Amino acid sequence: GENVEQHPSTLSVQEGDSAVIKCTYSDSASNYFPWYKQELGKGPQLIIDIRSNVGEKKDQRIAVTLNKTAKHFSLHITETQPEDSAVYFCAANVYNQGGKLIFGQGTELSVKP
Amino acid sequence: SAVISQKPSRDICQRGTSLTIQCQVDSQVTMMFWYRQQPGQSLTLIATANQGSEATYESGFVIDKFPISRPNLTFSTLTVSNMSPEDSSIYLCSFRQGPLDTGELFFGEGSRLTVL
Repeated sequence: GENVEQHPSTLSVQEGDSAVIKCTYSDSASNYFPWYKQELGKGPQLIIDIRSNVGEKKDQRIAVTLNKTAKHFSLHITETQPEDSAVYFCAANVYNQGGKLIFGQGTELSVKP
Repeated sequence: SAVISQKPSRDICQRGTSLTIQCQVDSQVTMMFWYRQQPGQSLTLIATANQGSEATYESGFVIDKFPISRPNLTFSTLTVSNMSPEDSSIYLCSFRQGPLDTGELFFGEGSRLTVL
C-alpha cells in the first residue's frame, strides 16, 4: 500500500528565510498531494495541494512541486514569518479508494523573529 | 467551503467508559472520514462513513471499539468504547469536497480525549 515519508521532522529558520519540506510516496498511482498546517490545539488546515497533471503550484508565499518520476513532492515557504510556525503534514491519496489519504509524519516548523 | 464542527472539543474520561464524538457539517457531503492523531504523531484513518451503509474500517480498527453512525448527509458520530489510556488522542472528523479521489479534504478542530 501507499507509504509517505516526510523530512525533516523539525525545522528552524530565521524570519524572512525560506523553508523547504520534502515528502516521498511509494504508490505511482497516487494523483493528489495536499499539504496541511496544524497549529497547536487546532485541526489540520489545507494550505495548498497539487494534482498529478501539474509539476508546480504557487499561492503567494507558498509553493508545491511534484516530481512524479521520482515520486516526491515538496513544500516551499518563502519570506517566512513567525505565524508560519506550526506542524506541517504532507499527504498522498490512495487511488481509487474513496478519497483515502496517507499522511507523512509531520514537520514542526519554527520561525524565529 | 462547508463548515465542520465537532463536539466535545476535549474531555477527560475514566478507563472503561465510552464517549461519543459528534461531527456536524453545514452542507450535505457524501463521504465523511474519522482520523486519530495520537500525541505528537501523524493522522491515521480510522474509518470512512457513508450515509446509509456501514462504515468501512481500516486495518487495526474494529467496529466494536469504534462504532460509527451516519444517519444523514450532514452528521456523523464516532464512539470510542471501553476506553483505556492508549485511546488518549485527538479524534478528527473530515469530509471531502469535490471529486472522489482528488477533492479537497477538510477537517474539524478535533476532539482531544484524555483517558485516566
